Amino acid sequence: GENVEQHPSTLSVQEGDSAVIKCTYSDSASNYFPWYKQELGKGPQLIIDIRSNVGEKKDQRIAVTLNKTAKHFSLHITETQPEDSAVYFCALKTWQLTFGSGTQLTVLP
Amino acid sequence: DAGITQSPRHKVTETGTPVTLRCHQTENHRYMYWYRQDPGHGLRLIHYSYGVKDTDKGEVSDGYSVSRSKTEDFLLTLESATSSQTSVYFCAISESTGAPPGELFFGEGSRLTVL
Repeated sequence: GENVEQHPSTLSVQEGDSAVIKCTYSDSASNYFPWYKQELGKGPQLIIDIRSNVGEKKDQRIAVTLNKTAKHFSLHITETQPEDSAVYFCALKTWQLTFGSGTQLTVLP
Repeated sequence: DAGITQSPRHKVTETGTPVTLRCHQTENHRYMYWYRQDPGHGLRLIHYSYGVKDTDKGEVSDGYSVSRSKTEDFLLTLESATSSQTSVYFCAISESTGAPPGELFFGEGSRLTVL
């Protein structure tokens, strides 16, 4: 199946700083790139997504950028808050959603 | 929150025993999925269903079977559990998979330990 590599696996930032998580992929047919957030003890939840005809999308403090030529997409969280602490998964769709391995984000007060 | 209930939420069993996990939805979504979550591997698709009695394999289907006799219920069965199937299992549902694909809504997970 499609491989998607996600980095870093863990990320610690000070409250108020920005966090960036990056995913790379190989199949140029991928056309949908969502990001999911998983809080402790819960199932993942969609927080933002981007489609292949768009380069950037923002929703308040979170944004996603897509570079189809280089085959990577990134999640940007600005002005991080303690409630942003969670595991974040990138994903992409070819025939089904394929998920990255996850990033544990910790926002330090 | 999407109406998805997984049962049991926690189970400890022994190698070689059969195990069935149940996913029940109240959203009337057509598509249902079973994923497993393991450290370093993210979420991997086991099986999915696109309608009553219509199921197909995902990327890690060996050792698992599924059934969907009603729209609202999707069962995952481990016929003979092995220690490598120790994992957290998530059920997910979606309205569509086309363009644009529908959002996946996840249950809260079932933690299975095989001794």
